[in-house]
Amino acid sequence: DQQVKQNSPSLSVQEGRISILNCDYTNSMFDYFLWYKKYPAEGPTFLISISSIKDKNEDGRFTVFLNKSAKHLSLHIVPSQPGDSAVYFCAASFTGTASKLTFGTGTRLQVTL
Amino acid sequence: ETGVTQSPTHLIKTRGQQVTLRCSSQSGHNTVSWYQQALGQGPQFIFQYYREEENGRGNFPPRFSGLQFPNYSSELNVNALELDDSALYLCASSFIAGGPSYEQYFGPGTRLTVT
Repeated sequence: DQQVKQNSPSLSVQEGRISILNCDYTNSMFDYFLWYKKYPAEGPTFLISISSIKDKNEDGRFTVFLNKSAKHLSLHIVPSQPGDSAVYFCAASFTGTASKLTFGTGTRLQVTL
Repeated sequence: ETGVTQSPTHLIKTRGQQVTLRCSSQSGHNTVSWYQQALGQGPQFIFQYYREEENGRGNFPPRFSGLQFPNYSSELNVNALELDDSALYLCASSFIAGGPSYEQYFGPGTRLTVT
């Protein structure tokens, strides 16, 4: 039962353009969402998060949008840089679950020159 | 500030054996979680330890067990290894102070291969 889904296994974007990574979830109890970035041979690195009481959160080049009615969130990276090339995981959690994170399967982003 | 470290980096075991993986939490963190990441999948929550007690568990059998020590380092033990246990095992630490802590900081993982 995949409660967090990332339907695009890969995405290629030109340097300087916007990267949009999508994530859908099925469990309406989720109330906190996170994005992690993972380089090969490293653990996932926390990028940005959003609480379900908000619909947008920005941190520099990274913005996360949450659409609760559609059970959908997206990560926008503007402008994209070659160093952003990595696997991006969407994760979700809800109160009372010991901060258990439920991850999607990841989207591999390649930023080309 | 010291990050999360894990040992060993790689490990090869035979089906039926037992394995112990180790994790050292980030300085100042009091909670450790363990995840299993199979090839092509996202990390799956195994369990979390807080104040040396299990504080939540995912859908993993009892042969997966853990410990958290007073210095907040941790071990993951897996008994009776099966081929499907081959995966990257990730440790993540966080700080809980009166409420949930969602932002977890991961180590580089231990790659376990069961033959």
